[in-house]
Amino acid sequence: RKEVEQDPGPFNVPEGATVAFNCTYSNSASQSFFWYRQDCRKEPKLLMSVYSSGNEDGRFTAQLNRASQYISLLIRDSKLSDSATYLCVVNSRGAGGTSYGKLTFGQGTILTVHP
Amino acid sequence: DGGITQSPKYLFRKEGQNVTLSCEQNLNHDAMYWYRQDPGQGLRLIYYSQIVNDFQKGDIAEGYSVSREKKESFPLTVTSAQKNPTAFYLCASSITRTETQYFGPGTRLLVL
Repeated sequence: RKEVEQDPGPFNVPEGATVAFNCTYSNSASQSFFWYRQDCRKEPKLLMSVYSSGNEDGRFTAQLNRASQYISLLIRDSKLSDSATYLCVVNSRGAGGTSYGKLTFGQGTILTVHP
Repeated sequence: DGGITQSPKYLFRKEGQNVTLSCEQNLNHDAMYWYRQDPGQGLRLIYYSQIVNDFQKGDIAEGYSVSREKKESFPLTVTSAQKNPTAFYLCASSITRTETQYFGPGTRLLVL
């Protein structure tokens, strides 16, 4: 089983639609969680951190369920500029319980927003 | 402007050749990282460094080497022992090892 799993999609949605991405992680000791966005042939950029209580940034809402080891990202009122690959990222502890900032990446979910 | 720079943007390697990818940051970050991305896969950690003159292997270090002689610089050498080097290489940095990581623009390495 992969450490971080995402539905690869692709998701094709019209402008204005609401779309949700899901992600599961296998390491119950994972400490922090993020969504990154990656445009075609570019570097990943931090979209938002994910907090236990859930958090919102404009049209984007992230949720974390530690009991189910599940993370989600909701995008409301989709824009053409939201087209990208969305990476679920988990910061886990290394061997022996040390934390060296190891980020484990999902393979990404591709989103295409069309007119 | 503060940020992370990587060079070159594209790099071509001949069989049996070692090549070095540059990564520089002026963010005063202590920690730096190298990742490799293959099509349809997530990023995989090659090496990381928490402080100057110290670095640790990641998940796929075989065929790669690094150095950290300066806080600002963390070059990656892809040696001839790396049999499948074609990939997108991304350098990242963070204030400390537990903080959010920020990425440079990447280098695409192709084998001739």
